Amino acid sequence: EVQLVESGGGLVKPGGSLRLSCAASGFTFSSYSMNWVRQAPGKGLEWVSSISSSSSYIYYADSVKGRFTISRDNAKNSLYLQMNSLRAEDTAVYYCAREDSGSYCMDVWGQGTTVTVSS
Amino acid sequence: EIVLTQSPATLSLSPGERATLSCRASQSVSSYLAWYQQKPGQAPRLLIYDASNRATGIPARFSGSGSGTDFTLTISSLEPEDFAVYYCQQRSNWPEFTFGPGTKVDIK
Repeated sequence: EVQLVESGGGLVKPGGSLRLSCAASGFTFSSYSMNWVRQAPGKGLEWVSSISSSSSYIYYADSVKGRFTISRDNAKNSLYLQMNSLRAEDTAVYYCAREDSGSYCMDVWGQGTTVTVSS
Repeated sequence: EIVLTQSPATLSLSPGERATLSCRASQSVSSYLAWYQQKPGQAPRLLIYDASNRATGIPARFSGSGSGTDFTLTISSLEPEDFAVYYCQQRSNWPEFTFGPGTKVDIK
């Protein structure tokens, strides 16, 4: 079964840091670009970051550029998001999602992990 | 920046009725448009990609159409499990993914 499982969310103070992880199984992880997408409480979906299969290409939304770092370990079938200088507006459910090769969409999603930034 | 607009914001229908959801792009996205369904407390699920192709396992009552700037998601006959929020998404302005604000389909 194709599966993505996120972990690492929690409560953190403004200015703090958190590292999210996403464990992939059931497919050849090293063949796919991966993404992080977030959803603030009661709001819509916001793309956060993308990383290509070999980590050669990395992209960020302007809202997180310079504060968040995406990375992956293909040997461990894992995707990561290092979040620094967190702000209240970063509070959201964070999803990892597999990018469909060639169709510019995300065809597999994890169940999400919740990040709350509050003092 | 390409902006996606979805209408209506809320669609109130009964089971068995036809649902027609609209997504409009501020400039052409060719056919690179996807639709997702999201139920409360769940992750989004891909329904349609490349404007009109159903994703794996998606029932035939879901169909997508359109190209350029105007797109439609149609649910031919609503089942109880179809009441949810639907988002459109594009990636024509590489490398960003952009989502629309969503249309909520609720029970009338």
